[in-house]
Amino acid sequence: AQTVTQSQPEMSVQEAETVTLSCTYDTSESNYYLFWYKQPPSRQMILVIRQEAYKQQNATENRFSVNFQKAAKSFSLKISDSQLGDTAMYFCAFRDSSNTGKLIFGQGTTLQVKP
Amino acid sequence: DTAVSQTPKYLVTQMGNDKSIKCEQNLGHDTMYWYKQDSKKFLKIMFSYNNKELIINETVPNRFSPKSPDKAHLNLHINSLELGDSAVYFCASSQGPGGHYEQYFGPGTRLTVT
Repeated sequence: AQTVTQSQPEMSVQEAETVTLSCTYDTSESNYYLFWYKQPPSRQMILVIRQEAYKQQNATENRFSVNFQKAAKSFSLKISDSQLGDTAMYFCAFRDSSNTGKLIFGQGTTLQVKP
Repeated sequence: DTAVSQTPKYLVTQMGNDKSIKCEQNLGHDTMYWYKQDSKKFLKIMFSYNNKELIINETVPNRFSPKSPDKAHLNLHINSLELGDSAVYFCASSQGPGGHYEQYFGPGTRLTVT
């Protein structure tokens, strides 16, 4: 069974600095998808970034980028130039490529951006 | 325009009652989901429907019954509510059931059972 682990329950960063959130996963699949979701206090789930396992190039979306290490089964999220609006809970998630695959979430990391 | 909407946003009810949560998406998607987020913020899938057919049915008490009257709607009915059912329930939709499709989440329904 696939599992997703986020080992940092809470993190904080000063505004404008860079922070990296860690995520590891376990799977025997060769093709799959990885995601980072953001859940601000409003509780809305927002997709931040996604990575396709067969693509070696790390995904980037503006200030958000990932470090995808397939062999190590690691998928960390880097947030550059942190903003107060980045304060939220961040979830790493795994999905296999099948039509009946489930989106499996990690435990979440609460990120506090301090002014 | 709200892409995925849920009603109600908050629901407070007593143990033993039966309640429903409604979900509608206006994205033209074929696939819809229900997730449960518990008090520790852990998110887990409950059900998924594709073109009104059940494709994922996690280990969920049979007091929970999803119903999809059409592709745009997926409702969740809960019988004989228990204290442990208190959680936030999220509906989501995607263009198709494959893993490469982005899932769009609704705003969530906070259910409190007293």
